[in-house]
Amino acid sequence: GAVVSQHPSWVICKSGTSVKIECRSLDFQATTMFWYRQFPKQSLMLMATSNEGSKATYEQGVEKDKFLINHASLTLSTLTVTSAHPEDSSFYICSARQGEAEKLFFGSGTQLSVL
Amino acid sequence: LAKTTQPISMDSYEGQEVNITCSHNNIATNDYITWYQQFPSQGPRFIIQGYKTKVTNEVASLFIPADRKSSTLSLPRVSLSDTAVYYCLVDTGGFKTIFGAGTRLFVKA
Repeated sequence: GAVVSQHPSWVICKSGTSVKIECRSLDFQATTMFWYRQFPKQSLMLMATSNEGSKATYEQGVEKDKFLINHASLTLSTLTVTSAHPEDSSFYICSARQGEAEKLFFGSGTQLSVL
Repeated sequence: LAKTTQPISMDSYEGQEVNITCSHNNIATNDYITWYQQFPSQGPRFIIQGYKTKVTNEVASLFIPADRKSSTLSLPRVSLSDTAVYYCLVDTGGFKTIFGAGTRLFVKA
């Protein structure tokens, strides 16, 4: 089946630094990619939707200047958490979809810990 | 967007069949129903997808009544490794993918 690779799996950073998370679709072209964050024992919360070559669409309450999303190609989307603070510590997950009505393929997630 | 409602948690024993029902009263004509499984500290993975009636694959069955306002994921003969959170997702395959709370299944020996 299709594979979505997400890196890094975990990252620890100091408060005020920026962290970039990559999401790659390895064997298909993803027309749409999604970014979520998940707190312990909670469901996935959609942060933003991105389409290749266009600006991401952010969900209400998600700061676009803090969570920068770039979908430069049909196989790569990145999420940059700028000036990270401890409250940004969370599990971040990406997913990709090859076409409409297609199932989602998820990355393995990135655990971000901001000290 | 169709909102989904699932039981928060379920318990079962190894070897039993488990049925998890998801309500989606506001499902739209073009919406598909997809179920995902998530283990701790991992991304969800696809289990099964359907539009209407019944779908079966090597790991599960999905039952969808004619009005499509609900769906039931059936896991035959669960094992300890099936302990996970199960999400049903209803969407058209477009820009929004809104997950509900999911169902925590705990399989006991």
